[in-house]
Amino acid sequence: KQEVTQIPAALSVPEGENLVLNCSFTDSAIYNLQWFRQDPGKGLTSLLLIQSSQREQTSGRLNASLDKSSGRSTLYIAASQPGDSATYLCAVLNTGGFKTIFGAGTRLFVKA
Amino acid sequence: NAGVTQTPKFRILKIGQSMTLQCTQDMNHNYMYWYRQDPGMGLKLIYYSVGAGITDKGEVPNGYNVSRSTTEDFPLRLELAAPSQTSVYFCASSYMGRSNEKLFFGSGTQLSVL
Repeated sequence: KQEVTQIPAALSVPEGENLVLNCSFTDSAIYNLQWFRQDPGKGLTSLLLIQSSQREQTSGRLNASLDKSSGRSTLYIAASQPGDSATYLCAVLNTGGFKTIFGAGTRLFVKA
Repeated sequence: NAGVTQTPKFRILKIGQSMTLQCTQDMNHNYMYWYRQDPGMGLKLIYYSVGAGITDKGEVPNGYNVSRSTTEDFPLRLELAAPSQTSVYFCASSYMGRSNEKLFFGSGTQLSVL
């Protein structure tokens, strides 16, 4: 059974700091891994998707990496801004059954 | 450009009542999902569908039912509401066939069972 774990559960940083969010998963038979952003009371928005054959994806100040063999992914946010404050969720799409399984998320607060 | 549309946005039910959460998508996605999110938690998969007429259970299916008669619609039915079903419900869809297809979410339905 696939399990996705995210650490830390919460993180508070000053504006301008670079930060890393971690995601680990127990079953390496995945189709892809996505990082999502969720603002309070809102739905989820996909930020980055890494296919199982890829090592990383970048979008602006965001960089996500994937090490499938070790079951780990990181989301790197450069030069953090107060507008980055949100919950970030990691999700993996399994090859068997095609279910997307989510971690509990990391709640990020960027202080101005 | 609607994407994934969920209705209603908010609902309060009494214990034992029934209701249907509606979900429709206009992106011709074949895969659709229902998740629930409890406060401070991640999303738990309730049911999913890989195409019209095909549904399967997720992690927490008890107390729910689904149907998929068309590609566009994937309603979630609560037959006998219980306080444990108080949660935020999200519908999502994607197009499987290419591994670079993202998952798109609706804005959610906040359900309280009292």
